[in-house]
Amino acid sequence: GQSLEQPSEVTAVEGAIVQINCTYQTSGFYGLSWYQQHDGGAPTFLSYNALDGLEETGRFSSFLSRSDSYGYLLLQELQMKDSASYFCAVRDRDSNSGYALNFGKGTSLLVTP
Amino acid sequence: DSGVTQTPKHLITATGQRVTLRCSPRSGDLSVYWYQQSLDQGLQFLIHYYNGEERAKGNILERFSAQQFPDLHSELNLSSLELGDSALYFCASSVGATGDLPYEQYFGPGTRLTVT
Repeated sequence: GQSLEQPSEVTAVEGAIVQINCTYQTSGFYGLSWYQQHDGGAPTFLSYNALDGLEETGRFSSFLSRSDSYGYLLLQELQMKDSASYFCAVRDRDSNSGYALNFGKGTSLLVTP
Repeated sequence: DSGVTQTPKHLITATGQRVTLRCSPRSGDLSVYWYQQSLDQGLQFLIHYYNGEERAKGNILERFSAQQFPDLHSELNLSSLELGDSALYFCASSVGATGDLPYEQYFGPGTRLTVT
């Protein structure tokens, strides 16, 4: 089976930096993704790490350490619009050769003025 | 706008009833995934279809079924509905089905199902 752990809530101030951690337990690991979801909206893709290291996309960066089964999403220069839920997800090859996303329960980020 | 469409946006029905949710993937995408999102369970993977064939099953109840048609749209059928089935149902699409890039999934706006 698989499990992903991430904090349920994080609060940060506008302009600051916040890190959302994700630890996972899975077999046949194929990569760690991050998705953003505003309240009631569709999840949208942010980043994907298949290899160890840091991937940077604008104000957002994502890190992966496969040996530690750990990753994080780093959000810099926080803006009010970044208030949303952030999900880590692993792509895990199941026995039927399907590649579905298994999501963590999400981290609710609140950005305050 | 992800390019994935879902209908209806909202659905209110009674326990014991059957409903069908519809999803049209992005143009060119062959894979469709269905997810259920409820308050206490987060996003749960239900089922994956690739080019008309079922590829993977997640935590999908026997009362639920899905199919993908030749035009690649997909339908999720939920029967003998219970109060606990009230949730947001998302479909997502991607180009491929295996580990090939691109890897991201594009989510539709969801169908909010309320069972009373």
